[in-house]
Amino acid sequence: TQLLEQSPQFLSIQEGENLTVYCNSSSVFSSLQWYRQEPGEGPVLLVTVVTGGEVKKLKRLTFQFGDARKDSSLHITAAQPGDTGLYLCAGGGWATDSWGKFQFGAGTQVVVTP
Amino acid sequence: ETGVTQSPTHLIKTRGQQVTLRCSSQSGHNTVSWYQQALGQGPQFIFQYYREEENGRGNFPPRFSGLQFPNYSSELNVNALELDDSALYLCASSSPSSSVYNEQFFGPGTRLTVL
Repeated sequence: TQLLEQSPQFLSIQEGENLTVYCNSSSVFSSLQWYRQEPGEGPVLLVTVVTGGEVKKLKRLTFQFGDARKDSSLHITAAQPGDTGLYLCAGGGWATDSWGKFQFGAGTQVVVTP
Repeated sequence: ETGVTQSPTHLIKTRGQQVTLRCSSQSGHNTVSWYQQALGQGPQFIFQYYREEENGRGNFPPRFSGLQFPNYSSELNVNALELDDSALYLCASSSPSSSVYNEQFFGPGTRLTVL
């Protein structure tokens, strides 16, 4: 059971289009991370957001953490084939004994075709 | 700086057998977390080791066990393998002293197939 719900599950777009992936939960998180994973490989950390309402930009990727720290979104502008992958969000707990123990969503598979 | 490494890359076992997976943490990291990722799912937290002690466990049965060594490398052991144990096993390293953002870094994973 995934405590973090990601939507959509699958997204196929043409190169140059924009896309947004959502990550929602009923739980409040101390931080939220976004990863991209390619087949047969481990997830690669893209960004960590920690402050409610925070917006971070990484080139064409824009990440937002909801004001209530329960949800997040990832927006890709002018998608490229290299953006293809499984995008995962992961929420961190508040307590010190939850350090490094993240709850993951099921992921959004993004396919960008030339 | 050396990243997280895992071995073996792939493994095929039969039901009832036992398996050991290995992970070397990133240089300077003293915490290793193990995750199981079934096909089409996100990673599920198995357990975490900090300074050679188990430091939290997810919803996995006792036949999943682990170790952490003085150099912070780690092993995941699974006894009495079941078909549903087939998955990608990921380890992630982190260090409370070096990251205020609770960041962890993943290895490439071990693909376990149970027949």
